[in-house]
Amino acid sequence: ETGVTQTPRHLVMGMTNKKSLKCEQHLGHNAMYWYKQSAKKPLELMFVYSLEERVENNSVPSRFSPECPNSSHLFLHLHTLQPEDSALYLCASSQDQLETEAFFGQGTRLTVV
Amino acid sequence: AQSVSQHNHHVILSEAASLELGCNYSYGGTVNLFWYVQYPGQHLQLLLKYFSGDPLVKGIKGFEAEFIKSKFSFNLRKPSVQWSDTAEYFCAVTPHSGGYQKVTFGTGTKLQVIP
Repeated sequence: ETGVTQTPRHLVMGMTNKKSLKCEQHLGHNAMYWYKQSAKKPLELMFVYSLEERVENNSVPSRFSPECPNSSHLFLHLHTLQPEDSALYLCASSQDQLETEAFFGQGTRLTVV
Repeated sequence: AQSVSQHNHHVILSEAASLELGCNYSYGGTVNLFWYVQYPGQHLQLLLKYFSGDPLVKGIKGFEAEFIKSKFSFNLRKPSVQWSDTAEYFCAVTPHSGGYQKVTFGTGTKLQVIP
């Protein structure tokens, strides 16, 4: 257990659905991250939040919309996704965005049908 | 831009065999280097990291890695693997001053240890 919890663990959604992924950490960290893990590809950093402000957005399509209401919670809102968006979405946190160690959640396995 | 290469995508070993997983990176400056492990159905967790100092780094569960600057490599080693080491291993690099927002991961190596 890393202290970073993601829900749901599995999600199947249609291309016209809207859903949200949730990440929660109670480690007192100030930075949170969303990653996409696809088969046979490197882990892709999607978004970085520091003190609830977005500091990095790595050219992610607008159908992915992050939200960080406070330093303990991070959401990823999903709408009109494509089948190629099916992947494992990982959340992580670290003390701050310059910290060189992050703690990962177990991920949400997303399948878009 | 930085990149990380893990050339072994799938490795199968018998218990007690020695392990070496390759990791090469490209970046023009000073870097921090990491190995993460992901056991089946579990979260990514840090095995070991290198920031500076002794290039031979010892991590948890008997793993070690050696930073060879001239070769841009950070290979992971374990003298004798166990069935419980079956997992996927990821190498990662960040610029020394860039922090985690600039992290780049390799594609991962799946290790299967046969009892």
